[in-house]
Amino acid sequence: AQSVSQHNHHVILSEAASLELGCNYSYGGTVNLFWYVQYPGQHLQLLLKYFSGDPLVKGIKGFEAEFIKSKFSFNLRKPSVQWSDTAEYFCAGRNTGGFKTIFGAGTRLFVKA
Amino acid sequence: GAGVSQSPSNKVTEKGKDVELRCDPISGHTALYWYRQRLGQGLEFLIYFQGNSAPDKSGLPSDRFSAERTGESVSTLTIQRTQQEDSAVYLCASSQTEGNTEAFFGQGTRLTVV
Repeated sequence: AQSVSQHNHHVILSEAASLELGCNYSYGGTVNLFWYVQYPGQHLQLLLKYFSGDPLVKGIKGFEAEFIKSKFSFNLRKPSVQWSDTAEYFCAGRNTGGFKTIFGAGTRLFVKA
Repeated sequence: GAGVSQSPSNKVTEKGKDVELRCDPISGHTALYWYRQRLGQGLEFLIYFQGNSAPDKSGLPSDRFSAERTGESVSTLTIQRTQQEDSAVYLCASSQTEGNTEAFFGQGTRLTVV
């Protein structure tokens, strides 16, 4: 069955710390993968996406993610977080060419100033 | 419109009543999705529209839930005989269908069944 798993439900970091949020997917065939962010009181926004090509994807606000096919992973990283990165982060996936996008449970990140 | 618009933003209803939630997608987006987000949980896929047709209704939790879309635009999610477990944020998203595209989300409708 198609699924997306996020390992951490809550993460607390101090400013300038490095961030890595885990995401694993279970799909047959080729996949499209996404990270979305939801800042407090705002709607879900796309951070970055992987469709094909370079497995290291760079998104907005200094975020990046690496697609590792052998590990079925698409972890989100940022070298130095800021207080404004406090938000909930969702990993999502779908089969290439498909439309049903499955979301993970989300990770709430709190960055201490 | 400039973004996906959902109404109402908040809805409180009594158990057993019917509710209708509305979604206005981004103009020109042929794909439209409904998700449910219960407190502390991820996004649960409900239904997807391609144009006015719904090829995948597999996520609708019960026959109390239905959705329609008209004019390849507005969509309505209807919940009949609401139950307390229906309390959640209902999110709508839309996307283009040509090429590799992502979904754009609305602000959601927070439904509380009392």
